[in-house]
Amino acid sequence: SSELTQDPAVSVALGQTVRITCQGDSLRSYYASWYQQKPGQAPVLVIYGKNNRPSGIPDRFSGSSSGSTASLTITGAQAEDEADYYCNSRDTSGNYRVVFGGGTKLTVL
Amino acid sequence: QVQLVQSGAEVKKPGASVKVSCKTSGYTFTSYGISWVRQAPGQGLEWMGWISAYNGNTDFAQTLQGRVTMTTDTSTSTAYMDLRSLRSDDTAVYYCARESGYQFDYWGQGTQVTVSS
Repeated sequence: SSELTQDPAVSVALGQTVRITCQGDSLRSYYASWYQQKPGQAPVLVIYGKNNRPSGIPDRFSGSSSGSTASLTITGAQAEDEADYYCNSRDTSGNYRVVFGGGTKLTVL
Repeated sequence: QVQLVQSGAEVKKPGASVKVSCKTSGYTFTSYGISWVRQAPGQGLEWMGWISAYNGNTDFAQTLQGRVTMTTDTSTSTAYMDLRSLRSDDTAVYYCARESGYQFDYWGQGTQVTVSS
Protein backbone atom coordinates (compact mmCIF):
# COMPACT_ATOMS: atom_id res chain seq x y z
CA SER A 1 0.00 0.00 0.00
CA SER A 2 1.01 3.63 -0.43
CA GLU A 3 2.39 5.95 2.24
CA LEU A 4 2.19 9.72 2.60
CA THR A 5 4.91 11.54 4.54
CA GLN A 6 4.47 14.86 6.33
CA ASP A 7 6.78 16.85 8.58
CA PRO A 8 5.60 16.33 12.17
CA ALA A 9 5.71 20.01 13.12
CA VAL A 10 5.99 23.39 11.44
CA SER A 11 5.86 26.90 12.89
CA VAL A 12 5.06 30.27 11.35
CA ALA A 13 5.04 33.84 12.61
CA LEU A 14 1.66 35.52 12.73
CA GLY A 15 0.83 37.02 9.34
CA GLN A 16 3.57 35.18 7.48
CA THR A 17 3.29 32.45 4.85
CA VAL A 18 3.80 28.78 5.58
CA ARG A 19 3.92 25.72 3.34
CA ILE A 20 3.05 22.24 4.61
CA THR A 21 4.13 19.38 2.38
CA CYS A 22 3.01 15.82 1.76
CA GLN A 23 5.12 13.30 -0.16
CA GLY A 24 4.14 9.97 -1.65
CA ASP A 25 4.07 7.96 -4.85
CA SER A 26 0.25 7.98 -4.97
CA LEU A 27 0.41 11.75 -5.50
CA ARG A 28 1.81 11.14 -8.96
CA SER A 29 -1.63 9.72 -9.86
CA TYR A 30 -4.07 11.41 -7.49
CA TYR A 31 -4.56 14.86 -6.05
CA ALA A 32 -4.18 15.29 -2.31
CA SER A 33 -6.94 16.59 -0.09
CA TRP A 34 -6.08 18.57 3.04
CA TYR A 35 -7.85 18.57 6.40
CA GLN A 36 -7.53 20.85 9.40
CA GLN A 37 -8.14 19.38 12.85
CA LYS A 38 -8.29 21.37 16.06
CA PRO A 39 -8.11 19.66 19.48
CA GLY A 40 -11.23 17.73 20.35
CA GLN A 41 -12.86 18.40 16.99
CA ALA A 42 -13.53 16.44 13.82
CA PRO A 43 -11.34 17.17 10.80
CA VAL A 44 -12.47 19.83 8.34
CA LEU A 45 -11.76 19.71 4.61
CA VAL A 46 -9.80 22.82 3.56
CA ILE A 47 -8.41 21.97 0.10
CA TYR A 48 -9.29 19.32 -2.48
CA GLY A 49 -8.58 18.57 -6.12
CA LYS A 50 -6.16 20.73 -8.06
CA ASN A 51 -6.72 23.72 -5.74
CA ASN A 52 -10.33 23.93 -4.57
CA ARG A 53 -11.66 25.35 -1.32
CA PRO A 54 -15.00 24.29 0.16
CA SER A 55 -17.45 27.03 0.96
CA GLY A 56 -16.44 28.91 4.08
CA ILE A 57 -12.71 28.20 3.87
CA PRO A 58 -10.70 31.44 3.73
CA ASP A 59 -8.80 32.18 0.53
CA ARG A 60 -5.52 32.32 2.43
CA PHE A 61 -5.54 28.52 2.08
CA SER A 62 -4.29 27.16 -1.23
CA GLY A 63 -2.98 23.90 -2.63
CA SER A 64 -0.47 22.85 -5.25
CA SER A 65 1.22 19.71 -6.48
CA SER A 66 4.38 18.73 -8.30
CA GLY A 67 5.43 15.16 -8.98
CA SER A 68 5.13 13.17 -5.79
CA THR A 69 4.73 16.21 -3.52
CA ALA A 70 1.56 18.09 -2.62
CA SER A 71 1.63 21.34 -0.68
CA LEU A 72 -0.80 23.32 1.42
CA THR A 73 0.07 27.01 1.66
CA ILE A 74 -1.37 29.44 4.19
CA THR A 75 -0.70 33.01 3.10
CA GLY A 76 -0.90 35.35 6.06
CA ALA A 77 -1.32 32.78 8.82
CA GLN A 78 -3.75 33.68 11.60
CA ALA A 79 -3.82 32.53 15.20
CA GLU A 80 -6.89 30.42 14.48
CA ASP A 81 -4.94 28.45 11.87
CA GLU A 82 -2.97 26.72 14.63
CA ALA A 83 -4.04 23.10 14.24
CA ASP A 84 -3.03 19.68 12.93
CA TYR A 85 -3.12 19.32 9.16
CA TYR A 86 -3.50 16.01 7.35
CA CYS A 87 -3.18 15.17 3.69
CA ASN A 88 -4.79 12.16 2.05
CA SER A 89 -5.16 10.62 -1.36
CA ARG A 90 -6.31 7.45 -3.02
CA ASP A 91 -4.07 4.45 -2.37
CA THR A 92 -2.77 2.96 -5.59
CA SER A 93 -3.30 -0.56 -4.20
CA GLY A 94 -7.09 -0.60 -4.25
CA ASN A 95 -10.08 0.91 -5.98
CA TYR A 96 -11.44 2.86 -3.04
CA ARG A 97 -8.63 2.62 -0.55
CA VAL A 98 -7.38 5.84 0.95
CA VAL A 99 -4.17 6.73 2.73
CA PHE A 100 -3.55 9.58 5.18
CA GLY A 101 -0.33 11.34 5.95
CA GLY A 102 0.89 11.31 9.54
CA GLY A 103 -0.15 14.91 10.10
CA THR A 104 1.67 18.21 10.67
CA LYS A 105 1.25 20.25 13.84
CA LEU A 106 1.20 23.92 12.85
CA THR A 107 2.15 26.44 15.50
CA VAL A 108 1.47 30.14 14.88
CA LEU A 109 3.96 32.24 16.83
CA GLN B 1 -27.67 21.38 5.65
CA VAL B 2 -25.63 18.20 5.47
CA GLN B 3 -25.25 16.48 8.84
CA LEU B 4 -23.70 13.23 9.99
CA VAL B 5 -24.63 12.35 13.57
CA GLN B 6 -22.92 9.42 15.23
CA SER B 7 -23.94 7.21 18.12
CA GLY B 8 -22.58 7.69 21.61
CA ALA B 9 -19.44 6.56 23.37
CA GLU B 10 -18.86 2.85 24.00
CA VAL B 11 -16.78 0.91 26.50
CA LYS B 12 -16.04 -2.68 25.53
CA LYS B 13 -13.98 -5.56 26.88
CA PRO B 14 -11.25 -7.19 24.80
CA GLY B 15 -12.69 -9.73 22.39
CA ALA B 16 -16.07 -8.03 22.19
CA SER B 17 -17.65 -6.26 19.21
CA VAL B 18 -18.82 -2.69 18.75
CA LYS B 19 -21.28 -1.21 16.27
CA VAL B 20 -21.20 2.52 15.57
CA SER B 21 -23.95 4.28 13.65
CA CYS B 22 -23.81 7.38 11.47
CA LYS B 23 -27.18 8.95 10.69
CA THR B 24 -27.10 11.32 7.76
CA SER B 25 -29.42 14.09 6.62
CA GLY B 26 -29.52 17.02 4.22
CA TYR B 27 -28.52 15.17 1.06
CA THR B 28 -29.44 12.17 -1.10
CA PHE B 29 -27.91 9.32 0.87
CA THR B 30 -27.48 6.94 -2.06
CA SER B 31 -25.53 9.48 -4.13
CA TYR B 32 -22.40 9.34 -1.95
CA GLY B 33 -20.14 6.85 -0.26
CA ILE B 34 -19.29 6.80 3.42
CA SER B 35 -15.81 6.20 4.76
CA TRP B 36 -14.86 5.40 8.33
CA VAL B 37 -11.72 6.89 9.84
CA ARG B 38 -10.32 6.36 13.32
CA GLN B 39 -7.87 8.23 15.50
CA ALA B 40 -6.10 6.59 18.42
CA PRO B 41 -5.19 8.84 21.38
CA GLY B 42 -2.51 11.34 20.35
CA GLN B 43 -2.17 9.73 16.93
CA GLY B 44 -3.05 10.56 13.32
CA LEU B 45 -5.98 9.63 11.15
CA GLU B 46 -6.34 6.05 9.92
CA TRP B 47 -8.69 5.16 7.07
CA MET B 48 -10.65 2.02 7.92
CA GLY B 49 -12.85 1.43 4.91
CA TRP B 50 -15.55 2.64 2.56
CA ILE B 51 -19.06 1.65 1.63
CA SER B 52 -21.14 2.75 -1.33
CA ALA B 53 -24.55 3.86 -0.12
CA TYR B 54 -25.79 3.19 -3.66
CA ASN B 55 -25.06 -0.53 -3.95
CA GLY B 56 -23.36 -1.60 -0.70
CA ASN B 57 -19.95 -2.26 -2.28
CA THR B 58 -17.14 -2.07 0.25
CA ASP B 59 -13.38 -1.81 0.45
CA PHE B 60 -11.38 -2.07 3.66
CA ALA B 61 -7.91 -1.31 4.92
CA GLN B 62 -5.82 -4.45 4.75
CA THR B 63 -4.99 -4.20 8.44
CA LEU B 64 -8.68 -4.58 9.35
CA GLN B 65 -9.75 -7.20 6.80
CA GLY B 66 -11.81 -9.88 8.47
CA ARG B 67 -12.62 -7.84 11.59
CA VAL B 68 -14.67 -5.00 10.15
CA THR B 69 -18.08 -4.90 8.47
CA MET B 70 -19.78 -1.85 7.01
CA THR B 71 -23.44 -1.66 6.13
CA THR B 72 -26.08 0.92 5.28
CA ASP B 73 -29.80 1.28 5.81
CA THR B 74 -31.15 3.40 2.98
CA SER B 75 -34.59 3.64 4.61
CA THR B 76 -33.07 5.70 7.46
CA SER B 77 -30.01 7.12 5.60
CA THR B 78 -27.77 5.55 8.20
CA ALA B 79 -24.37 3.88 7.87
CA TYR B 80 -22.97 1.36 10.34
CA MET B 81 -19.48 0.16 11.19
CA ASP B 82 -19.06 -3.09 13.09
CA LEU B 83 -15.63 -3.99 14.51
CA ARG B 84 -15.09 -7.46 16.05
CA SER B 85 -12.49 -9.10 18.28
CA LEU B 86 -11.64 -5.79 19.89
CA ARG B 87 -8.16 -5.21 21.28
CA SER B 88 -6.79 -2.45 23.46
CA ASP B 89 -5.20 -0.81 20.42
CA ASP B 90 -8.67 -0.37 18.89
CA THR B 91 -9.27 2.33 21.51
CA ALA B 92 -9.86 5.42 19.40
CA VAL B 93 -12.29 8.06 18.22
CA TYR B 94 -14.18 6.69 15.22
CA TYR B 95 -15.45 9.07 12.54
CA CYS B 96 -17.75 8.61 9.59
CA ALA B 97 -17.24 10.94 6.65
CA ARG B 98 -19.14 11.55 3.42
CA GLU B 99 -17.03 10.84 0.40
CA SER B 100 -17.49 13.29 -2.47
CA GLY B 101 -15.18 12.44 -5.34
CA TYR B 102 -11.82 11.75 -3.75
CA GLN B 103 -12.34 13.88 -0.64
CA PHE B 104 -14.24 13.69 2.63
CA ASP B 105 -16.35 16.82 2.66
CA TYR B 106 -18.53 16.27 5.75
CA TRP B 107 -17.64 14.44 8.93
CA GLY B 108 -19.54 13.08 11.90
CA GLN B 109 -18.73 14.38 15.38
CA GLY B 110 -16.83 11.22 16.32
CA THR B 111 -17.55 8.31 18.64
CA GLN B 112 -15.15 7.36 21.44
CA VAL B 113 -14.65 3.61 21.68
CA THR B 114 -12.65 2.42 24.67
CA VAL B 115 -11.47 -1.18 24.94
CA SER B 116 -10.52 -2.10 28.47
CA SER B 117 -10.77 -5.09 30.75
